[in-house]
Amino acid sequence: EAAVTQSPRSKVAVTGGKVTLSCHQTNNHDYMYWYRQDTGHGLRLIHYSYVADSTEKGDIPDGYKASRPSQENFSLILELASLSQTAVYFCASSGGQGAPTEVFFGKGTRLTVV
Amino acid sequence: GEQVEQRPPHLSVREGDSAFITCTYTDPNSYYFFWYKQEPGASLQLLMKVFSSTEINEGQGFTVLLNKKDKRLSLNLTAAHPGDSAAYFCAVISGGNYKPTFGKGTSLVVHP
Repeated sequence: EAAVTQSPRSKVAVTGGKVTLSCHQTNNHDYMYWYRQDTGHGLRLIHYSYVADSTEKGDIPDGYKASRPSQENFSLILELASLSQTAVYFCASSGGQGAPTEVFFGKGTRLTVV
Repeated sequence: GEQVEQRPPHLSVREGDSAFITCTYTDPNSYYFFWYKQEPGASLQLLMKVFSSTEINEGQGFTVLLNKKDKRLSLNLTAAHPGDSAAYFCAVISGGNYKPTFGKGTSLVVHP
């Protein structure tokens, strides 16, 4: 069974503070993704990575950084958290022979910025 | 980049009726297509994946149709029941950048 584990599952952060969301996968997948979910917007891609030590900007990267120190781990970093970054964040992984196929999701992190 | 439009955003049906959701996409190089179900407060659960050019896949209580010529993906829940009430999302993976793009979702309510 494919497994993507996110931590923390819930967090309250102060405006202007630094937030790090972590993701760990045991699927041996090359591709990892960070999405945010807001009501009415579905899932929007923030950053993704297809190999360790390399990250790519997704569709809404502003205000976020990402880090992929190993194949298994992918972090999302909010250097200066803002109210507009209150959302649910999902990490996902995908594997395949040179190209991603099925996407497996973690359980999500609910981030509230106050 | 890839654009995915999902319709309708909200859908309300009676138990036993069919519920039909459709997605259109723009990138002709898209090659992998999915439907996910998300219950309130939960993560996304894969319902079905399709890969071929024109394909009908049947699952437990639903049918998925892919028409690459029209760039259209659809989900038909046959004989819906209250347990089907959830948000449904289509997703498309495009060749080239391999970024999965999601539709904005359909909130389905099935009334007893």
